[in-house]
Amino acid sequence: ETGVTQTPRHLVMGMTNKKSLKCEQHLGHNAMYWYKQSAKKPLELMFVYSLEERVENNSVPSRFSPECPNSSHLFLHLHTLQPEDSALYLCASSQVQGGTGELFFGEGSRLTVL
Amino acid sequence: QQQVKQSPQSLIVQKGGISIINCAYENTAFDYFPWYQQFPGKGPALLIAIRPDVSEKKEGRFTISFNKSAKQFSLHIMDSQPGDSATYFCAASIEGSSGSARQLTFGSGTQLTVLP
Repeated sequence: ETGVTQTPRHLVMGMTNKKSLKCEQHLGHNAMYWYKQSAKKPLELMFVYSLEERVENNSVPSRFSPECPNSSHLFLHLHTLQPEDSALYLCASSQVQGGTGELFFGEGSRLTVL
Repeated sequence: QQQVKQSPQSLIVQKGGISIINCAYENTAFDYFPWYQQFPGKGPALLIAIRPDVSEKKEGRFTISFNKSAKQFSLHIMDSQPGDSATYFCAASIEGSSGSARQLTFGSGTQLTVLP
């Protein structure tokens, strides 16, 4: 495996379900991100984990809960989502301190909430 | 003030033509301006980036023009090819403090179609 890998690639869930998105980076980076991509809208930063510091976008609802057990793995736990949460969720990684700041994205998890 | 405004939303260009996408920002503290390219079913990938101490950066057929006083920057794709058909996002960020990750603010994207 190389780069940034996201699973599952597609997820359909009901509003009462609990599911998780998984991201794994194989680049040796020390920062990981969750972005939300909706049609015709800017990519929206949801959460950042960098050197054990967590930064979150205050506009993200609490029904989204991130977890970063180590620098290579990132999860997004989903519960009681709404139909408007349907979107492409992108994971990214970068190297803080000594890196160029370039984000390396995964291919995304397409989420549909019924 | 954190917004980056991108235009046009969509662009159709003939093969061999020049594609131009524009972005404008308000926050003068931004010090890094990348462009990302996204093909269908893929995540965005860095195409080219510029810092505000230069007015232009060229990599192959791709050029960023940067106008600091106008707070605008643009992507020019020369000799556009059908393989360039993708969505392009401009972005801007501020250097984080030591140990902090850069937080990119993205534009809304431009869907480019290059006709054969």
